[in-house]
Amino acid sequence: DIVMTQSPDSLAVSLGERATINCKSSQSVLYSSNNKNYLAWYQQKPGQPPKLLIYWASIRESGVPDRFSGSGSGTDFTLTISSLQAEDVAVYYCQQYYGIPVTFGGGTKVEIK
Amino acid sequence: HLQLQESGPGLAKPSETLSLTCTVSGGSIRSTSHYWGWIRQPPGKGLEYIGSIYYSGSTYYNPSLKSRATISVDTSRNQFSLKLSSVTAADTAIYYCARQYYESIGLGWFDTWGQGTLVTVSS
Repeated sequence: DIVMTQSPDSLAVSLGERATINCKSSQSVLYSSNNKNYLAWYQQKPGQPPKLLIYWASIRESGVPDRFSGSGSGTDFTLTISSLQAEDVAVYYCQQYYGIPVTFGGGTKVEIK
Repeated sequence: HLQLQESGPGLAKPSETLSLTCTVSGGSIRSTSHYWGWIRQPPGKGLEYIGSIYYSGSTYYNPSLKSRATISVDTSRNQFSLKLSSVTAADTAIYYCARQYYESIGLGWFDTWGQGTLVTVSS
């Protein structure tokens, strides 16, 4: 299985400041034939199911605010919230879909400082 | 718009079989671009993929479940189901169903999720 490791486990950011979440895969999730990174990001608020934010490592799902952005390639990826809003308090997960089984990172909890 | 809803008993006894159904509304389960998956989340913990099914019946499973999971589809009812056998307390979790993007070279992300249902394994 491809192991997804997120860091940090939690972070506290002031409103309007940048939040950066890292995700590292145990092997590359870049598919050479199409040059796509098989990685998605989700946001989960308390008592709710996860919500898809980003796929193909950097493509925002429809309706997701543009303060959310994804970057990275190969084994190292980043989710950035450019200006943290109160409604962004949540746990964020990365997921690889390069291999079967698809696997998730352990999650990063984002709070307001 | 597409909605998914899990249903089934909220309590299962150790060694018995957990059974859940996901009803898809606002769209067809016969989509050629999607698989339909099950993911679980123990209380306060992270997400674990269980498996996925195509409308034709083709399946993928997480080997970690050691063949205890069986996913089936009923296209006439726009539903798919999960059975997990020989459950223990470790199977206590919120169980989510979700639509999973699919293309010819494999599975993808989960773009629509049900609200989830808590299943507790206890005698």
